[in-house]
Amino acid sequence: GPKVLQIPSHQIIDMGQMVTLNCDPVSNHLYFYWYKQILGQQMEFLVNFYNGKVMEKSKLFKDQFSVERPDGSYFTLKIQPTALEDSAVYFCASSLRKFNQDTQYFGPGTRLLVL
Amino acid sequence: GEKVEQHESTLSVREGDSAVINCTYTDTASSYFPWYKQEAGKSLHFVIDIRSNVDRKQSQRLIVLLDKKAKRFSLHITATQPEDSAIYFCAASMGAYKVIFGKGTHLHVLP
Repeated sequence: GPKVLQIPSHQIIDMGQMVTLNCDPVSNHLYFYWYKQILGQQMEFLVNFYNGKVMEKSKLFKDQFSVERPDGSYFTLKIQPTALEDSAVYFCASSLRKFNQDTQYFGPGTRLLVL
Repeated sequence: GEKVEQHESTLSVREGDSAVINCTYTDTASSYFPWYKQEAGKSLHFVIDIRSNVDRKQSQRLIVLLDKKAKRFSLHITATQPEDSAIYFCAASMGAYKVIFGKGTHLHVLP
C-alpha cells in the first residue's frame, strides 16, 4: 500500500540545538500531519498542513516549532531551539483528502532524543 | 478540553475468542472515529472507522459500534488470531483536521 517515509529514523541532539525532521508523504496526498508520541503514552496531534499553510495546530505546537513543504519536497518539522521535553517519537502522516474524509497513512516515526 | 478515554489498557483473550475495546469521548461535536493498530516498533496502521451518521460498521472480523447518546464507541475483533496482537488506538475527530487519540489498548491473543 501507500507508504510514508521519515528521515532520519533516530536523532540525538543537544538541548538548545535545532533539529529538522523530514517526511516524504504519499505522492498524490495533499494533507500532511505531525504527531508526537512520548514513550508509553498516546499519540498527540501537533499540526495539520495543507496548500502551503498550517490549518490547525494544538497547544503542543510551541512557537519553537515550524513546518513547511517547499516546492512539493519533504514535509518538514523544525524545532529551534530544542528542549528536553521534546524527546519523543514524531510521526508524520498524509492523506489525499481531509482527515475525516479519508484514511491517514502514517510514517514509521523519528525517535528524537534531546540531551 | 476534548478527551478520548480508552478503558482497557491491557486485554488478553484466547485465540478464537472475541476482543472488545471500549472508548468514550467528551466532545458532542465529534463526528469521525477511526481505529488504528500499532505493532511493536512499527507505525500506526488504519484498521477501520465509523462516522456519526451510522451506529455500526463491519469489515471482515472487525465491528465498530457507536453510541452517540452515551458518547461511547467500541471495536470488536471476532475470531481473534495471534497476528491481532498489537496496541489498538481509538480516536475521535470533531473537525477536518484535529484528532484526539486514546491511550491505547495492548491486546494479547493467547494460543
